[in-house]
Amino acid sequence: EVQLVETGGGLIQPGGSLRLSCAASGFTVSRNYMGWVRQAPGKGLEWVSVIYSGGSIYYADSVKGRFTISRDNSKNTLFLQMNSLRADDTAVYYCARGENYFDSWGQGTLVTVSS
Amino acid sequence: DIQMTQSPSTLSASVGDRVTITCRASQSINSWLAWYQQKPGKAPKLLIYKASSLEGGVPSRFSGHESGTEFTLTISSLQPDDFATYYCQQYNSYPLTFGGGTRVDI
Repeated sequence: EVQLVETGGGLIQPGGSLRLSCAASGFTVSRNYMGWVRQAPGKGLEWVSVIYSGGSIYYADSVKGRFTISRDNSKNTLFLQMNSLRADDTAVYYCARGENYFDSWGQGTLVTVSS
Repeated sequence: DIQMTQSPSTLSASVGDRVTITCRASQSINSWLAWYQQKPGKAPKLLIYKASSLEGGVPSRFSGHESGTEFTLTISSLQPDDFATYYCQQYNSYPLTFGGGTRVDI
């Protein structure tokens, strides 16, 4: 069974950094297209970043230069390093697997950027 | 960037109703469109990909159609479990973009 479990969210001050993790089971992260999608409170879905099995990476303009997607093959885990956090980064962050669309999602982890 | 315009934003319906949600792309996306269902406090769930392909395990009352840059999600007979918010997503090009969502309630 495919399972994705995100951790690492929390309350962080503006300008701070946070690293989200997404532990996968039931499949191999490195052999799949993986991504992050976020949802601000009461708002719609916003794509953040993806990493292809071959290593190609894409970011939304809103996070480019501040966020970094990566994976640890030995731990079968996807990461999102978030730097220079702003109030408008406040959201539930979901990791997801797919084929440019997303067929499996984690439960999400809440990131709150506030002083 | 490709804009996805979803309508209506809210839809009131009853059990048994036929419901149609529309998503319009700002340019051609070559059928590269997915539909998701999201319930409060839960992750989105994939319903349809490539405009009309039903994801495994999704009830057949859900269907997707396309006409040019206009895409529709139809629920043939609304069930109590279908009251949720629905999103379209284009994956023709980056950045991946979602529609604004359609909340289906009673």
